[in-house]
Parts: sequence; structure tokens; C-alpha cells
Amino acid sequence: DVKVTQSSRYLVKRTGEKVFLECVQDMDHENMFWYRQDPGLGLRLIYFSYDVKMKEKGDIPEGYSVSREKKERFSLILESASTNQTSMYLCASSFPGEGLKLFFGSGTQLSVL
Amino acid sequence: QKEVEQNSGPLSVPEGAIASLNCTYSDRGSQSFFWYRQYSGKSPELIMFIYSNGDKEDGRFTAQLNKASQYVSLLIRDSQPSDSATYLCAVKISGGYNKLIFGAGTRLAVHP
Repeated sequence: DVKVTQSSRYLVKRTGEKVFLECVQDMDHENMFWYRQDPGLGLRLIYFSYDVKMKEKGDIPEGYSVSREKKERFSLILESASTNQTSMYLCASSFPGEGLKLFFGSGTQLSVL
Repeated sequence: QKEVEQNSGPLSVPEGAIASLNCTYSDRGSQSFFWYRQYSGKSPELIMFIYSNGDKEDGRFTAQLNKASQYVSLLIRDSQPSDSATYLCAVKISGGYNKLIFGAGTRLAVHP
């Protein structure tokens, strides 16, 4: 089974802090994604990566950056956390050419106070 | 902005009935369509995908695609209380590399 592991299930941070969300997958997937999920808005794509050191902006990249130094690891960085970044963050991965069949991690519920 | 629309529900059906979940999308060039199930407090999991017009069946699940009408649906036959979850429709948009657009989801409640 594909395993996508997110480092924290719950995280509480203060406004202005730099926040790192880590994601590791064990299936040698090329594609990795970061989404946030908010009630009534569904999942929105923040950033994705299709190879090591490659990244592409999604639909809502403002206030975020990403890092992919190794194939299995994709990190989401909140440069200066704000209260409107309180959300559920979901990491996902997939093989290329598989029509984007995503495998999701268990999510990180981030609260910014 | 390319969009995927779903009725938020809740859609309430009795056990054993057919649940019908619907999704419309705005990008006429979309080619790949997915249904994810998300239990409360859990992450989404892929349950169906469809690429061609028509029906695709997998056990109690049937995905239906009509590209001319820009409409995709999920039918769940013999609904069970364990099917109670939020169902997310996702569409791979054209012109972009590996981008899925998700609908906000339809909450399904199957009551005994």
C-alpha cells in the first residue's frame, strides 16, 4: 500500500511564526502536491512538484513556499503564518501518467493564533 | 477560473437505496474525472475514475460521464450506513500540468 506520511496531525502556531509542514511518501512517486481544505471551499491546490527541485504554483500559492530536495519528501513552508492560514493541510502523491490518481496523507490541522 | 460544482447536501437515502451524486464542470477540455470518498476526520481516498463517455462500474459503484453536458455522476447501489461520507468530485483540467480541481463535496447520509 502507498503510504503518505505527514509529520504532524495537529499544530498550533502564533501569527508571524515560520511554519514547516513535512510530507514523505514511500512509493517513489514523481508527483507530489499540497492542498488546503476549508469547509465549503473544498480542496484547493497550493503547490505541486513533478520532480526533485521542481515546483509549480497552484491556485493559492500566496504566503506559501515549498521545497523538494529529495524525491520522497515535499515540504510546505508558511513564511510568516497568519490567522487566515488556519486550515487542514493535505499532502498527496501520484505516479505520472496515471491520470492523477492521488494518494493522500492523513492531514495536518494547523491553527494560527 | 475553471470550476467544479457539487450540491453540498446532505443527501439522505435509506439503507438499500441508490444514492446519486452529481457534479458539473466548466472546462470543456477536461479528460479525466475522479471520485474521492472522505470520511469525517479522515483524508480523501480514490474510489472511482472515468475517462470516456458512458458508464463505468466497480462493484456497487457506477461512474457516469457525459462530456457534451459537462456532467459526471456517481451512483452507489444498495447503499449502506458505511457509505455515509463526503464525496468529492475532481477534474483534471486541460492546459495545465497535473492539476486537479476539486468540488466542495456532497455529504451523503445513509440511514438504517
